[in-house]
Amino acid sequence: DVKVTQSSRYLVKRTGEKVFLECVQDMDHENMFWYRQDPGLGLRLIYFSYDVKMKEKGDIPEGYSVSREKKERFSLILESASTNQTSMYLCASSFQMIETGPYGYTFGSGTRLTVV
Amino acid sequence: ILNVEQSPQSLHVQEGDSTNFTCSFPSSNFYALHWYRWETAKSPEALFVMTLNGDEKKKGRISATLNTKEGYSYLYIKGSQPEDSATYLCAFSTGNQFYFGTGTSLTVIP
Repeated sequence: DVKVTQSSRYLVKRTGEKVFLECVQDMDHENMFWYRQDPGLGLRLIYFSYDVKMKEKGDIPEGYSVSREKKERFSLILESASTNQTSMYLCASSFQMIETGPYGYTFGSGTRLTVV
Repeated sequence: ILNVEQSPQSLHVQEGDSTNFTCSFPSSNFYALHWYRWETAKSPEALFVMTLNGDEKKKGRISATLNTKEGYSYLYIKGSQPEDSATYLCAFSTGNQFYFGTGTSLTVIP
């Protein structure tokens, strides 16, 4: 069964801590994405990557960075966690859509992060 | 940022009722429209992907239609069951990027 695995289901961190959220996919997908989901706002794109060592800012990159050293792993980093980063974080991956057709995303099950 | 709207935001129906909800999206730069079902504590699960105006897809009691000229898609659930309770997300694709709606939260009351 193909999967996108997020390392933690729930996390509680203190303000100012550096936080790492890990995502691993086993489908050899080129694209990987990090979203956050907040009530009434839907899924908002933080960062994405089309290839190893490549990264692109999404709609709300402030306060975040990412790392993609290997094709299967995409990490989201909160440099100094703040309470307004309390949210559900979703990782997703996909094939290159233009080349291979309108394939959708495969999602992880999410990490609910609380910053206190 | 492209605007994708879903309505209603939430919905409560009785078991056995049929229901439908709407996804509105820009009619330009259209590549595909996706529907996902997201149950609590699980990953969003792909339901349908539609690419052509007039597309209709069906999976069991759930079906979807697509109108790319006017920029909307409908999701229908016939004879709702408690296991249909979830958030239903649509995503508009330009080919390079997805733009998600805010979702419709469906609760089916036994």
